[in-house]
Amino acid sequence: AQSVAQPEDQVNVAEGNPLTVKCTYSVSGNPYLFWYVQYPNRGLQFLLKYITGDNLVKGSYGFEAEFNKSQTSFHLKKPSALVSDSALYFCAVFSGNTGKLIFGQGTTLQVKP
Amino acid sequence: NAGVMQNPRHLVRRRGQEARLRCSPMKGHSHVYWYRQLPEEGLKFMVYLQKENIIDESGMPKERFSAEFPKEGPSILRIQQVVRGDSAAYFCASSPSGGGANGYTFGSGTRLTVV
Repeated sequence: AQSVAQPEDQVNVAEGNPLTVKCTYSVSGNPYLFWYVQYPNRGLQFLLKYITGDNLVKGSYGFEAEFNKSQTSFHLKKPSALVSDSALYFCAVFSGNTGKLIFGQGTTLQVKP
Repeated sequence: NAGVMQNPRHLVRRRGQEARLRCSPMKGHSHVYWYRQLPEEGLKFMVYLQKENIIDESGMPKERFSAEFPKEGPSILRIQQVVRGDSAAYFCASSPSGGGANGYTFGSGTRLTVV
C-alpha cells in the first residue's frame, strides 16, 4: 500500500539556522513527490515537487528537497530559517496505482527569533 | 484566474442537520478531489471526481456522506445527519488531468463545526 511518513510531529529551529523536515515514502513504481505548506486557517500551498531528473529540487521561498531513492526519502530543507516559515508542512506522494495524492500526517515547524 | 473556490468558509450545523460544502475548481480543471483534516491529524483522502463521474470514493464513510460533480456547477460534498465527529476542515483540490505530475491546487477549505 502507498504511504507517506513524517516522523516528527514538530521541528523547532532558531531563526537563521538550517532546517530539515523529514519525509519517507512507500510506493510501487516511480513516485511523484510533493511538499505543501499550510498556514493557520488557510489551505495548502504548493512548495515544490519531484517528478524526474535532478534529485535536488528547488522550490518556493528558498526551500529545496532531495529525492533519495535508496532511502525512499524526500526531506525538505532550507539553509536559513525565517520566523515566517513557521507553519504546518505536508509531504505527499502520487502513484499511478492509486491515482491520487497521499499525504503524510504533517510536521509543525516552529522558527524562534 | 481565480483559484479553487470553496464556500462557505465556515459552517455551523446542529447534530442531525445536513451540511453542503461547495467547490468550484480552477478554470480548465476537470478533476476534483475532497480531503478531510481532523484536528491534530493529517489530510485524509475522501473522494475523486470528474464531471458527472465518481472515479474513486474509497475514502468516503459508507453512510451519510456523498459527493457529486455535475456537468454544470460546482462539486458538492454532502453530509447528512451530521454528528460531532464530522467537525473538521474539508479541503477541495483540483487538477487539469488525472495524472499526478501537475500536483493539485487547493482551496482554502470549509471548516465545519457540529454543535
